[in-house]
Amino acid sequence: GAGVSQSPSNKVTEKGKDVELRCDPISGHTALYWYRQSLGQGLEFLIYFQGNSAPDKSGLPSDRFSAERTGGSVSTLTIQRTQQEDSAVYLCASSINRVGTDTQYFGPGTRLTVL
Amino acid sequence: DQQVKQNSPSLSVQEGRISILNCDYTNSMFDYFLWYKKYPAEGPTFLISISSIKDKNEDGRFTVFLNKSAKHLSLHIVPSQPGDSAVYFCAASNAGKSTFGDGTTLTVKP
Repeated sequence: GAGVSQSPSNKVTEKGKDVELRCDPISGHTALYWYRQSLGQGLEFLIYFQGNSAPDKSGLPSDRFSAERTGGSVSTLTIQRTQQEDSAVYLCASSINRVGTDTQYFGPGTRLTVL
Repeated sequence: DQQVKQNSPSLSVQEGRISILNCDYTNSMFDYFLWYKKYPAEGPTFLISISSIKDKNEDGRFTVFLNKSAKHLSLHIVPSQPGDSAVYFCAASNAGKSTFGDGTTLTVKP
């Protein structure tokens, strides 16, 4: 079966532009997560969705970051007025449910470079 | 304050030997622990996990040990194989929210 997919795989943008990153989770997975991995760093939690609602947005670094999920499936992470420090790999993961025992399945990531 | 720490950024071992990757955590509320493996240009993939009520879980060549009193867990790979070369992340979970360490890059030399 299909795994988690993300698009684009690479995105180069100029400082100040807006970008949209897309995540298609595994079908039937109700929980969806966004993480960010900066160079040489671990995975930084950004936001979590249960269905279409986001009960935990605690990781979003600033109000330039927003995310939505529609139909309990596809999610979009939007970064407005990008800055150079936003350059990172953005990873999306999904799981059947948000309980500690549920394995998260990760997509390949989107590498964002802000010039 | 980093709640999950992997203090060794890298580890190099010879093929056939044991690889031991370590992870320390500070939050005693964590109740589930996971290890993920990540190859370049790919997302992390789940490797093995352990509940806080256990102290050991084994799956083939991979064993995870949990020492709750020391707030320490380790991943043992034996025997190590060149294909095990990757970045290994430990993660600790509480109420479903996982906190990841910075990763350890394992290199297994043939």
